[in-house]
Amino acid sequence: AQSVTQLGSHVSVSEGALVLLRCNYSSSVPPYLFWYVQYPNQGLQLLLKYTSAATLVKGINGFEAEFKKSETSFHLTKPSAHMSDAAEYFCAVSVGRSGGSNYKLTFGKGTLLTVNP
Amino acid sequence: KAGVTQTPRYLIKTRGQQVTLSCSPISGHRSVSWYQQTPGQGLQFLFEYFSETQRNKGNFPGRFSGRQFSNSRSEMNVSTLELGDSALYLCASSSSGTPDTQYFGPGTRLTVL
Repeated sequence: AQSVTQLGSHVSVSEGALVLLRCNYSSSVPPYLFWYVQYPNQGLQLLLKYTSAATLVKGINGFEAEFKKSETSFHLTKPSAHMSDAAEYFCAVSVGRSGGSNYKLTFGKGTLLTVNP
Repeated sequence: KAGVTQTPRYLIKTRGQQVTLSCSPISGHRSVSWYQQTPGQGLQFLFEYFSETQRNKGNFPGRFSGRQFSNSRSEMNVSTLELGDSALYLCASSSSGTPDTQYFGPGTRLTVL
């Protein structure tokens, strides 16, 4: 079974500082990896996804993540934080069932990002 | 294209009652998944439907059930509500259910008193 661990339930950065949100996964087969963002009282919005193409994935709002198989990691970064980035971020892994007909998402516990002025 | 819509957005029920939540996927999407989000357990997969068939199910009791209609709209039902069922229930749709992007709705906030 697959699993996701997000290190740090709460990360606080200053506006303009580097954002680094950590995600490690466990999967017995090649995974598909996702980062979602959730703003208060809203659903989840996809930031980016890795599906076995380029290991460095660029997403929306200036975010990017790098898939490192040797470290089983998929950390999310953004060079310069903006106040509007304050939200909760979820890393998720998806592994197909036999036959590849379905992929369910397994989520990490989430990391709440606070951006200080 | 309209996004995933969920109704109602908020719901208050009492223990022992049952509830039905509705999800309309993005037009053309045939896969609908349901997730429960709570502060303690985080986001947990409930089940997934594709072309009116349940293809995958999470580890939830039988009180949680769902169905999908021919127009891909889906409903989720919870019977004999318990206090622990209070949660945000999220619906997501994707075009095929392969590692395609799942698009989430705003959720239904269920409070059980």
